[in-house]
Amino acid sequence: QSALTQPASVSGSPGQSITISCTGTSSDVGGYNYVSWYQQHPGKAPKLMIYDVSKRPSGVSNRFSGSKSGNTASLTISGLQAEDEADYYCCSYAGDSTFVFGGGTKLTVL
Amino acid sequence: EVQLVESGGGVVRPGGSLRLSCAASGFTFDDYGMSWVRQGPGEGLEWVSGINWNGGSTGYADSVKGRFTISRDNAKNSLYLQMNSLRAEDTALYHCARVASGSYCDYWGQGTLVTVSS
Repeated sequence: QSALTQPASVSGSPGQSITISCTGTSSDVGGYNYVSWYQQHPGKAPKLMIYDVSKRPSGVSNRFSGSKSGNTASLTISGLQAEDEADYYCCSYAGDSTFVFGGGTKLTVL
Repeated sequence: EVQLVESGGGVVRPGGSLRLSCAASGFTFDDYGMSWVRQGPGEGLEWVSGINWNGGSTGYADSVKGRFTISRDNAKNSLYLQMNSLRAEDTALYHCARVASGSYCDYWGQGTLVTVSS
């Protein structure tokens, strides 16, 4: 159960697009289409942004999209806005009723 | 409105025990699996444990296996986490989360703080 690997930080200017990667193994990310992404603002509970690799919950902006290739999942945010500045975490089902999170990525909107 | 409210956190000495509770409302509790996720001070999210709708299937992170036990009482719409042999590294904010379709956490509580210190 090793944590999924995410970049510690990414940044972009308003209006630009950024992509956050999430690398696991064939036992988690690569083995199941159960990758989810969460946004967390300081002092707040995490918020679900993407589930099942690329599905968006009701109410989440279509500027957020997800994908997966092999053992790596990605979250793309297009048309960056100031309110997107937050920490982002990926999560994958890892078999045997277990899940694993990534280490988190701090997004800075310049 | 879905609500998850955790309680039971506090300060405990290393080696001690604590039982966390999560009161659920606003949805049919026994239609969903549930999980506990923690976040240490200044750290990232760590999945701790999960349980399916009827308690028949449970899972644990290696870091807590053998020390923590997850359970639920569907009649009381409540989720629990019994934590034994606590260590300093268990210090964290513990969130309960609803698990939808067995694959993602769609609602989260605000968390209850556990501090393990002598």
